[in-house]
Amino acid sequence: GAGVSQTPSNKVTEKGKYVELRCDPISGHTALYWYRQSLGQGPEFLIYFQGTGAADDSGLPNDRFFAVRPEGSVSTLKIQRTERGDSAMYLCASSLTTNTGELFFGEGSRLTVL
Amino acid sequence: RKEVEQDPGPFNVPEGATVAFNCTYSNSASQSFFWYRQDCRKEPKLLMSVYSSGNEDGRFTAQLNRASQYISLLIRDSKLSDSATYLCVVISGGYNKLIFGAGTRLAVHP
Repeated sequence: GAGVSQTPSNKVTEKGKYVELRCDPISGHTALYWYRQSLGQGPEFLIYFQGTGAADDSGLPNDRFFAVRPEGSVSTLKIQRTERGDSAMYLCASSLTTNTGELFFGEGSRLTVL
Repeated sequence: RKEVEQDPGPFNVPEGATVAFNCTYSNSASQSFFWYRQDCRKEPKLLMSVYSSGNEDGRFTAQLNRASQYISLLIRDSKLSDSATYLCVVISGGYNKLIFGAGTRLAVHP
């Protein structure tokens, strides 16, 4: 399809393991965002890419979280030494321009850390 | 204090009712404002932008009061399909760094 694609849709892992979540944005969208959403809360900003570079990573909670976008398209969110508190829905979004307020979200990757 | 605050609800209303949601934001430098809609277990989608002069899109009316740092969404003639969570969104930086409220849940019943 033409929308934002995220894989896996569900990931169950054990505490302490390493996890990678992948996002394939809409073709031609240079801006890419990662958000995290817990039950009953709104999406919480993690990181924003403009092209290949992370323009704003102020939302990453700690140094266990890292994201890359090496070719300016697909992005990977990497979480090291997962903790139970990392369990959430991880949403990726992309946009064509950077100031319209319209982000196109993927269906998310639900991470459960046991 | 959260940057964007909303009444979580839920609002349970009958079909045909008029319902209003409110939202306040703390950063007076915020520049742009939006309402997003999120269906159960789905991703958020843009519902409408909010302008200082107020704006309407069919049964939906959005208002912004910059002096009070307050945003509202009015839904007239509610439909069953309006049942969802409505997220108040603010942009404070120079790009699409959307700051979301926790959302207000609406349940429309027959």
